Amino acid sequence: QVQLVQSGAEVKKPGSSVKVSCKASGGTFSSYAISWVRQAPGQGLEWMGRIIPILGIANYAQKFQGRVTITADKSTSTAYMELSSLRSEDTAVYYCARAAGTTGAFDIWGQGTMVTVSS
Amino acid sequence: QSVLTQPPSVSGAPGQRVTISCTGSSSNIGAGYDVHWYQQLPGTAPKLLIYGNSNRPSGVPDRFSGSKSGTSASLAITGLQAEDEADYYCQSYDSSLSASYVFGTGTKVTVL
Repeated sequence: QVQLVQSGAEVKKPGSSVKVSCKASGGTFSSYAISWVRQAPGQGLEWMGRIIPILGIANYAQKFQGRVTITADKSTSTAYMELSSLRSEDTAVYYCARAAGTTGAFDIWGQGTMVTVSS
Repeated sequence: QSVLTQPPSVSGAPGQRVTISCTGSSSNIGAGYDVHWYQQLPGTAPKLLIYGNSNRPSGVPDRFSGSKSGTSASLAITGLQAEDEADYYCQSYDSSLSASYVFGTGTKVTVL
């Protein structure tokens, strides 16, 4: 069974960047899309973008265009999400999630990475 | 900026039936895109509860069911149990927002 294991919590200054990793183990990585979803404290879920590792193609939510970069390393079965120009409103838990087949449902989630943006 | 609207909260006594609505538009649910539902317990990652409008992944109790009609979808929980107390989110795809996935606003289910 595939598991997604994310990197640890981060504390960043406003204006800096953060890069979060998501490593897949126990199954196929490249042929599934990996999305990134964030959740601000006490708020709902927000889709940021996704990548299909086997194609190397990423697409992003309009809100994050120009500020987020999602990449994948097939050799290590790891996806990355880098968010730049951080502001306090980016304080959130960031999740990676695998999309199941063609349905678009996210069937496997990472444990989440807390990113705190504070001066 | 969620484009899928859910009631903020619903509640019910143990054993009762509750439903959660998810209202979208012609660019997402109404366009025929599938709706999926997630359960999120406090401090944990969301868990897939229903996929493809009405299908349950292996291990999800049949107390949970989903349906879709027009520009809306619903999640029903029958025989409500204490462990069902959680946040629930619907999710679909929207063709008007640079091809993006969208989540509902979320609903807190309280077991009285």
